[in-house]
Amino acid sequence: GEDVEQSLFLSVREGDSSVINCTYTDSSSTYLYWYKQEPGAGLQLLTYIFSNMDMKQDQRLTVLLNKKDKHLSLRIADTQTGDSAIYFCADNQKLVFGTGTRLLVSP
Amino acid sequence: DAGVIQSPRHEVTEMGQEVTLRCKPISGHDYLFWYRQTMMRGLELLIYFNNNVPIDDSGMPEDRFSAKMPNASFSTLKIQPSEPRDSAVYFCASTSRGVGHQPQHFGDGTRLSIL
Repeated sequence: GEDVEQSLFLSVREGDSSVINCTYTDSSSTYLYWYKQEPGAGLQLLTYIFSNMDMKQDQRLTVLLNKKDKHLSLRIADTQTGDSAIYFCADNQKLVFGTGTRLLVSP
Repeated sequence: DAGVIQSPRHEVTEMGQEVTLRCKPISGHDYLFWYRQTMMRGLELLIYFNNNVPIDDSGMPEDRFSAKMPNASFSTLKIQPSEPRDSAVYFCASTSRGVGHQPQHFGDGTRLSIL
């Protein structure tokens, strides 16, 4: 089956940019998603990218997809304390989620 | 619009007892998923349904776990008998138009503690 891997933890200061990375093994993935999980809540869709795109920007969020290296990243510009959460990348088609990256934003 | 609704939000029970978790998907969604989240294993897909029919239950840990979807607006996940290692947060999610084309919408989860 497919593996989706993420680094476990990222700590940044408020106002800095955050980059969360994800690698996957299945090159046939059509859509790749980023979800955010706040404490005590379920996963909430943040953004997604279609496999024929290299980049997608949505306000403070930028998703980069490198199909050759099977690498996906999520950049959050001007990170705020409210961005502190766990971020999951997911291959929705294969129903595989990454381990999640816990982002901690300090003032 | 109402999202995916799960109940109860928290459940604490003793080992050996039967536990029933409930889920109401978003109206119109034809796929429903049950996940389990733990620190050790992350987010695991247990089972999913399409049009109330179980499609893939390969993630169900063992025979103590069972899931049903008697109609399009209700599903249950049952553990009998429960064990301490079943302690986790259980999520239900729903989507439509096939698993590859739409994001899943998650409920807020049931935090289960087995003593």
